[in-house]
Amino acid sequence: KNQVEQSPQSLIILEGKNCTLQCNYTVSPFSNLRWYKQDTGRGPVSLTIMTFSENTKSNGRYTATLDADTKQSSLHITASQLSDSASYICVVSVTGGTSYGKLTFGQGTILTVHP
Amino acid sequence: NAGVTQTPKFRVLKTGQSMTLLCAQDMNHEYMYWYRQDPGMGLRLIHYSVGEGTTAKGEVPDGYNVSRLKKQNFLLGLESAAPSQTSVYFCASSYSIGAGELFFGEGSRLTVL
Repeated sequence: KNQVEQSPQSLIILEGKNCTLQCNYTVSPFSNLRWYKQDTGRGPVSLTIMTFSENTKSNGRYTATLDADTKQSSLHITASQLSDSASYICVVSVTGGTSYGKLTFGQGTILTVHP
Repeated sequence: NAGVTQTPKFRVLKTGQSMTLLCAQDMNHEYMYWYRQDPGMGLRLIHYSVGEGTTAKGEVPDGYNVSRLKKQNFLLGLESAAPSQTSVYFCASSYSIGAGELFFGEGSRLTVL
């Protein structure tokens, strides 16, 4: 069964600190992995999309890494800001066959940044 | 710069009532999707469309119907609402399936009493 597991479920950090969120997946065959940010009461917004050949991808203070061999990804947030408080969702896409393009969503990690 | 717009944003229904959620996108995307988001669970695909006039079932289609009469609009209908359909519904669109970035609406919070 295709699954995406995220850890931790929730995280509290102080403003200015760094943090790393984890995503493990069993989705196969793998097409790409995405990280989304979802503010409370809003729709998810894309941060990064990574394909099989990409190890690292950055978007400002957000850096995503991908290890396709171990089926793990991480999202590192540098110098956190209050506006980083949100849910971060890992999503994996399947390639090929009748499930082409199917997305499997993780449960999300809720990040709270305190001043 | 509207992107994906959902209406209504909030709705309360009684069990057995019907309603329609409207999704409109102005990015000329071929692909549109309806998801539901429940506490402690990842987003789950209800129905999707790969172009005007087409619809297909997702993971959790039971109790819902959809229509895509115009390319820019994707409607989600509940014919006889049940408390299990209390959820936040998100519409999304993309220019391609699988590789393309998803653009989400702001969500529609539905409560069924």
